[in-house]
Amino acid sequence: EAAVTQSPRSKVAVTGGKVTLSCHQTNNHDYMYWYRQDTGHGLRLIHYSYVADSTEKGDIPDGYKASRPSQENFSLILELASLSQTAVYFCASSPAGGSQNTLYFGAGTRLSVL
Amino acid sequence: GDSVTQKEGLVTLTEGLPVMLNCTYQTIYSNAFLFWYVHYLNESPRLLLKSSTDNKRTEHQGFHATLHKSSSSFHLQKSSAQLSDSALYYCALSGGYAQGLTFGLGTRVSVFP
Repeated sequence: EAAVTQSPRSKVAVTGGKVTLSCHQTNNHDYMYWYRQDTGHGLRLIHYSYVADSTEKGDIPDGYKASRPSQENFSLILELASLSQTAVYFCASSPAGGSQNTLYFGAGTRLSVL
Repeated sequence: GDSVTQKEGLVTLTEGLPVMLNCTYQTIYSNAFLFWYVHYLNESPRLLLKSSTDNKRTEHQGFHATLHKSSSSFHLQKSSAQLSDSALYYCALSGGYAQGLTFGLGTRVSVFP
């Protein structure tokens, strides 16, 4: 069973502050993703990575940066947190690219920006 | 770009009744994969079933879906809903390489005794 661990599980941040969400996977997957979940918007892709030291923009990258220092770790960084970034964030990994790819999700991080 | 439409935001039903969740999609990729993910409260979203084969029924854990490319649909069905089926269900599409999945807005299912 794939194991994707996110930390912290919840966080309260102040507007304008810096926030780092971390993700660690132990299944030797090459691909990792960050999604945000909002009521009325479903799951939307922020950033993804298919190799260490490289990241790609997803559908809604504005206001977010990503870092993939190793195959196992993938971080999402909010340099200047805003109220609109209050959401639940999910990290996911998958063994390969290609359309048959199954995503394995972490448990999510609930971020509240005040 | 790719898109997935789930018409129902909330489905409420009585235990034992059938359930069908609608999913339609748009993509330029002829070999796209369609997925259903289920997200139980306080758990991680997880794959329920997937398919890329036209007109073939796919089943898992009592749920089934058939991909119909002619109508761009992948509806999820179950003949008899259980209380434990209460969850958020996402339909998702994968067309291009490495770019993750495109999700619909999700359908919340609430099953009552």
